Formats: sequence, structure tokens, C-alpha cells
Amino acid sequence: DTEVTQTPKHLVMGMTNKKSLKCEQHMGHRAMYWYKQKAKKPPELMFVYSYEKLSINESVPSRFSPECPNSSLLNLHLHALQPEDSALYLCASSLQVSSTDTQYFGPGTRLTVL
Amino acid sequence: QQQVKQSPQSLIVQKGGISIINCAYENTAFDYFPWYQQFPGKGPALLIAIRPDVSEKKEGRFTISFNKSAKQFSLHIMDSQPGDSATYFCAASRGGSRLTFGEGTQLTVNP
Repeated sequence: DTEVTQTPKHLVMGMTNKKSLKCEQHMGHRAMYWYKQKAKKPPELMFVYSYEKLSINESVPSRFSPECPNSSLLNLHLHALQPEDSALYLCASSLQVSSTDTQYFGPGTRLTVL
Repeated sequence: QQQVKQSPQSLIVQKGGISIINCAYENTAFDYFPWYQQFPGKGPALLIAIRPDVSEKKEGRFTISFNKSAKQFSLHIMDSQPGDSATYFCAASRGGSRLTFGEGTQLTVNP
């Protein structure tokens, strides 16, 4: 099973709302990632978790708050977002944090901020 | 600073033709070069990858050619099919988890 699942598929929120994105994998991977992808652009790395610890934060604004409750789950908590944060949010996982370990991507959550 | 340059931005080929997408990189520390395929509404999926000690890798209709001295690598899709229509991203990484992506190529294969 090489599947990364993400919920919800679509999310519309106002700038004052608090919402969360969820990502799950059962491949035994110990590295998990959040990416942001704008239309017709490549994914941009936001956060990396290694063995449930945050190892990379690409200077992401604090209105995005990641959480890794266990080795299979990754959440992204959203609060006071701006319209320019509207994008496809992708979760990925890999065996470990290594340049040659394949990153498996989920289908993404399409976020619209009104 | 863009570290992986990808061209062309879009590509239209006829069914059965050869699709060629090129990438160039600057950082000689990169040690892994994957290609990802992304269909609309889906996340990217690994297509094929190569390490710099190999000059070519073939998997079915997909081939990566790698030129270390020129710091370039390319994806060749032989016998292109309409089902290959997607966006293709080259990427590079080194000693860790950061994938540096190219800007992407939107491939359309006409029937």
C-alpha cells in the first residue's frame, strides 16, 4: 500500500476561521511533509517531520501550525489565513529523511480562503 | 534563486511521438534527480529517478538521460500516448529531504 490520504478534499474558509487539514499514511514512513502548490507552479516545501519531530520549517507564517501526533498522522492547523493562502496543500511521506527516499504524495486539499 | 531550470513550459506532441523535457541545475552537490508526473486534481507521483553516477536510466517508455559535466538531465517519453498528458516536474535533492523542483512542463499528447 503506497497511499497517502488527505482530508478534506476541498475546504473553504473565512479569514477568521480555524480549520485543520489531515494526512495519514500506513507505510511505516518516518518522514512526513507539507507542501503548498499554487496553480501551474511546483510544490513548495513548508514543513518536514522526522520521527514525529519538526525538523524543517521553511519560514512559514505562524498562521500555519503543523502537528504530528504519531508516526502515521500529520495535521496542519490553519488560523487567520489570508486570501493569498488559497492553494493546493499536499502531504507527502518517505521512509526517512533522505535525498534518495521516494516521497509519496497525497491527492491534496484544495483550500480557498474568502 | 531558481536552482533547477526546466524547459519547455508546455509541449504538444502527436500520439506515437517522442516527448523531450529538459532540466539544468546549478548546485553540484545534488545527488538525486527524480521526475514527477502530476495529473489534474492529483498529487505528484514519482515517475523515474536517477543518481549522478549513471548516464541513462530506462523504465518502459520513459528514459532519463543525465550529463554530469553539463549539469543537465532530460526525460524522454517514447511512443507518447494521450494518457501521458500531464504536468511533469524535474527535481533535484542533496543529502536530505529538500526537493528542489523545476517549474514544470505541461505535456499534451494529441490522439
